[in-house]
Amino acid sequence: QVRLVESGGGVVQPGGSLRLSCAGSGFTFRASSMHWVRQAPDKGLEWVAFMSFDGNNKYYGDSVRGRFTISRDISKNTLYLQMSFLRVEDTAIYYCARDMGSSGYYLDYWGQGILVSVSS
Amino acid sequence: SSELTQDPAVSVALGQTVRITCQGDRLRTYYASWYQQKAGQAPLLVIYGKNNRPAGIPDRFSGSSSGNTASLTITGAQAEDEADYYCNSRDSSGTVVFGGGTKVTVL
Repeated sequence: QVRLVESGGGVVQPGGSLRLSCAGSGFTFRASSMHWVRQAPDKGLEWVAFMSFDGNNKYYGDSVRGRFTISRDISKNTLYLQMSFLRVEDTAIYYCARDMGSSGYYLDYWGQGILVSVSS
Repeated sequence: SSELTQDPAVSVALGQTVRITCQGDRLRTYYASWYQQKAGQAPLLVIYGKNNRPAGIPDRFSGSSSGNTASLTITGAQAEDEADYYCNSRDSSGTVVFGGGTKVTVL
């Protein structure tokens, strides 16, 4: 079955960096588009980033564009989110999610999430 | 507007029907998808496209769309349907936005 497992979260100071990983299994990772979505404490969902199945298209939310970078390693079936210049407001649970593969960007499988806390 | 607007909360009596709406300009071009999130859990896709349910989602969940408004309807709400529900959609630039979420309480 499809499984997504995030790792790499933790506590970081404002201005610092962190790299999240998302290991995928049970599906053809290299043929799948992927997303990162986050949720601040007691807040709603916020879309963060997208990478197309072929790696050619990457899109970012306004609040992270220029600071975060989405990438992947097909050989390891792993998606990454490199986060730099972190701010207190980046504190959230970060989820990776698989895109169903249609033109509508439907997220059909989600990881369990990983907590990132930005605090001095 | 690039936003998607949802009512913050709605309640429904056990076994009755509830409709949750999502409004936004991008819905005139792209279908919404809907996600159920229970406390402490990851979101779960319940409706996508015109009106499609992933495997395992009960048929009491249905979706519809008209103009700039998408709707999620739960027909015969059950206690286990109590959760937060989020809509989302893309735009032509490839970015995605989520609605603010609707908390559904089953009385």
